[in-house]
Amino acid sequence: DSGVTQTPKHLITATGQRVTLRCSPRSGDLSVYWYQQSLDQGLQFLIQYYNGEERAKGNILERFSAQQFPDLHSELNLSSLELGDSALYFCASSESRGLSTEAFFGQGTRLTVV
Amino acid sequence: DQQVKQNSPSLSVQEGRISILNCDYTNSMFDYFLWYKKYPAEGPTFLISISSIKDKNEDGRFTVFLNKSAKHLSLHIVPSQPGDSAVYFCAASARGGTSYGKLTFGQGTILTVHP
Repeated sequence: DSGVTQTPKHLITATGQRVTLRCSPRSGDLSVYWYQQSLDQGLQFLIQYYNGEERAKGNILERFSAQQFPDLHSELNLSSLELGDSALYFCASSESRGLSTEAFFGQGTRLTVV
Repeated sequence: DQQVKQNSPSLSVQEGRISILNCDYTNSMFDYFLWYKKYPAEGPTFLISISSIKDKNEDGRFTVFLNKSAKHLSLHIVPSQPGDSAVYFCAASARGGTSYGKLTFGQGTILTVHP
């Protein structure tokens, strides 16, 4: 158990819909990262938050947004969903802004868009 | 643009033998490298890391080698055990600038260790 909790584990939704994925980081970790793993792809970095502020942005679509709340949990919002958004979405956390990069990953949310 | 590449999608070895997983990178700004292991239906688990100031780091059965001039790193598992069967991801980070803790991952190598 990494200590990072993601909910829900599975999500099936229709095209055009909007979903919210939730992540609770390890106790004490201030950084939260979101990654997407599509079929046959490695993990693609989406976005990082540190202590409530956006710190780094990767290949995140404009239809996607994220935030980190005062209690440090984070949510990833995916809107106007397309079939190609079907993927595993991982959240990771680490204690620092990024200098120690051994991020701990949650079990992921499997999103299926039908 | 694939900045971190794992060119072998899969590797099969016999129990007790050495497993060697390879990884190449193109971004010369990367200065910290990590290996993660992933079982089905689980998130990746950190295995071992190496800073660019070193060329070798060892942790039990796992050793990571870094060749900066070739922009190549490898993970050696000795001896391999059936429980090591998993997907192994190489990841890299540029800790300066605005990249902070962003990790760039390779596509992964499926390791199968046969009893």
